Amino acid sequence: SYVLTQPPSVSVAPGKTARITCGGNNIGSKSVHWYQQKPGQAPVLVIYYDSDRPSGIPERFSGSNSGNTATLTISRVEAGDEADYYCQVWDSSSDHPVVFGGGTKLTVL
Amino acid sequence: QVQLVQSGAEVKKPGASVKVSCKASGYTFTGYYMHWVRQAPGQGLEWMGWINPNSGGTNYAQKFQGRVTMTRDTSISTAYMELSRLRSDDTAVYYCARGRPIEWELEGSFDYWGQGTLVTVSS
Repeated sequence: SYVLTQPPSVSVAPGKTARITCGGNNIGSKSVHWYQQKPGQAPVLVIYYDSDRPSGIPERFSGSNSGNTATLTISRVEAGDEADYYCQVWDSSSDHPVVFGGGTKLTVL
Repeated sequence: QVQLVQSGAEVKKPGASVKVSCKASGYTFTGYYMHWVRQAPGQGLEWMGWINPNSGGTNYAQKFQGRVTMTRDTSISTAYMELSRLRSDDTAVYYCARGRPIEWELEGSFDYWGQGTLVTVSS
């Protein structure tokens, strides 16, 4: 089945830019979705179809996808951005068609 | 506004079954796929399957085939996920999550999530 690889943790100072990667074989040919999950809360969609933002998500959140890596970029990081972030794709040829990455803990220093 | 409200926490013994509900409001329940995703303590997200609330059609992840059943009651806009033959490693928070409109392609993101239901399996 398809595997998505995320770094377990990323640290960034407030006001700086955080980049969270999601690696997969030719992931650039798939659509990638990103979720933010704060402790004790349900996930929240922050980026869909590689780079689109749902209403209510700040413009500081952006996404890109090419080759074997998709990237979630958070500009001007704030303390409130500290959370776990998960990437997600569909692999329709698999018996497990919805795949999540293992998650990345973003720490704001 | 779209809301998915799930049933409360459950404690079950190994071998038992659990049925979690997810009541939808703020949109046409039969117009969107509903997915179920679980998260074991301290772990990541794991997709379990989907149901088409309009037709009742389902698709389950291979891992859960034979143990999971997803149903719906359109009269009360509620989806259900039943997991049988519970084991200790089924201890997790179970989420329902809204998928794409059923008249569009299935593949996409999950834009609204329930608050989660903690299922604890312990003897």
